[in-house]
Amino acid sequence: DAGVIQSPRHEVTEMGQEVTLRCKPISGHNSLFWYRQTMMRGLELLIYFNNNVPIDDSGMPEDRFSAKMPNASFSTLKIQPSEPRDSAVYFCASSFDRRTDTQYFGPGTRLTVL
Amino acid sequence: AQSVTQPDIHITVSEGASLELRCNYSYGATPYLFWYVQSPGQGLQLLLKYFSGDTLVQGIKGFEAEFKRSQSSFNLRKPSVHWSDAAEYFCAVGAWNYGQNFVFGPGTRLSVLP
Repeated sequence: DAGVIQSPRHEVTEMGQEVTLRCKPISGHNSLFWYRQTMMRGLELLIYFNNNVPIDDSGMPEDRFSAKMPNASFSTLKIQPSEPRDSAVYFCASSFDRRTDTQYFGPGTRLTVL
Repeated sequence: AQSVTQPDIHITVSEGASLELRCNYSYGATPYLFWYVQSPGQGLQLLLKYFSGDTLVQGIKGFEAEFKRSQSSFNLRKPSVHWSDAAEYFCAVGAWNYGQNFVFGPGTRLSVLP
């Protein structure tokens, strides 16, 4: 398996623009997680899905952030409008069992908002 | 809510020396415990995990961790460090069964001297 795939790997955008990050989980995994990593706040769980259903989005910082998982093989994290403080590395991870199983992380998307 | 502390922000050891990275958690029951490693510019990789049973857990790359309930600790150890072990190490706690989520500690950066 190719592992968790994220695109783009790097994104540079201007404040106010819409940004969409994409994730393809490992085939057969039924849980998907979105994380944000910054120097100041470390790794934060933003939202996770189980069987394509959002279970907990309490980590989503603001209404500007939204995430979807239209099917088992694809998820998006959208920021609209983007702000400079959204600059971070965003990771997607998937697992077979959200409670006990290993989370496999993608390589991340480095977002820079100017 | 559960929390994870890693008291050491940065540790430097000489190649061949032993290593212990500390992790303490705050939670009312025994959570699921994990150690992940992140190499520069990469996603996270699971080193080992503990759910129940034997409190000494063996992981990949020669790492082990010991769960001590009385101390709420889950310290990571390696008897002989290799230069390739230089990375960021994250302890994480999962407490899904109690309505909690997955929380990462702040991380400990390991530098290895030749």
